[in-house]
Amino acid sequence: NAGVTQTPKFRVLKTGQSMTLLCAQDMNHEYMYWYRQDPGMGLRLIHYSVGEGTTAKGEVPDGYNVSRLKKQNFLLGLESAAPSQTSVYFCASSTPLAPIQYFGAGTRLSVL
Amino acid sequence: GENVEQHPSTLSVQEGDSAVIKCTYSDSASNYFPWYKQELGKGPQLIIDIRSNVGEKKDQRIAVTLNKTAKHFSLHITETQPEDSAVYFCAASRLGSGTYKYIFGTGTRLKVLA
Repeated sequence: NAGVTQTPKFRVLKTGQSMTLLCAQDMNHEYMYWYRQDPGMGLRLIHYSVGEGTTAKGEVPDGYNVSRLKKQNFLLGLESAAPSQTSVYFCASSTPLAPIQYFGAGTRLSVL
Repeated sequence: GENVEQHPSTLSVQEGDSAVIKCTYSDSASNYFPWYKQELGKGPQLIIDIRSNVGEKKDQRIAVTLNKTAKHFSLHITETQPEDSAVYFCAASRLGSGTYKYIFGTGTRLKVLA
């Protein structure tokens, strides 16, 4: 029962470096989401996807890119990391038109 | 834009007592309200949810109430136990652009004192 798996769990970057966060789900869900969680601010939606090959912007998309080449995977990329992107990133998935989202365990990213 | 206010930010209760967390939402079109529990180092897990056509829902020691007119909803935990200690998030959502987009509250850190 893997559910939603995120890799890596922790990462430290220097300003200007790039990296990709991987989210994989084994529940055959159509929809996938990337959130960031900052102290005192709850979770905020970065990007989401309603199906393979589709992506859309959420509340805080600037500085991030995403790709959904396979139904089970949703990648979040940081092309040039900034200290403001230090955060905990969560991936979630859901079925079409069903409101429940299932979350992964998160990736803690520090940008120095 | 839409927002969800959540109170209190921290809550300490004695084991066996009840805990209540309150949320207020701004988007009157919101029609789905989940509550998530996040334990240290883990992702949020759904513990209970309620739709706008229902005023109250209960699952063992956990209950959620919704007042659509006032646009607020609350989580009630009775007979609290140490394992209830965690951060709790409320969210409000509605169907838009083909999916339910959540607006989360800022979280409540619940400590149950043994």
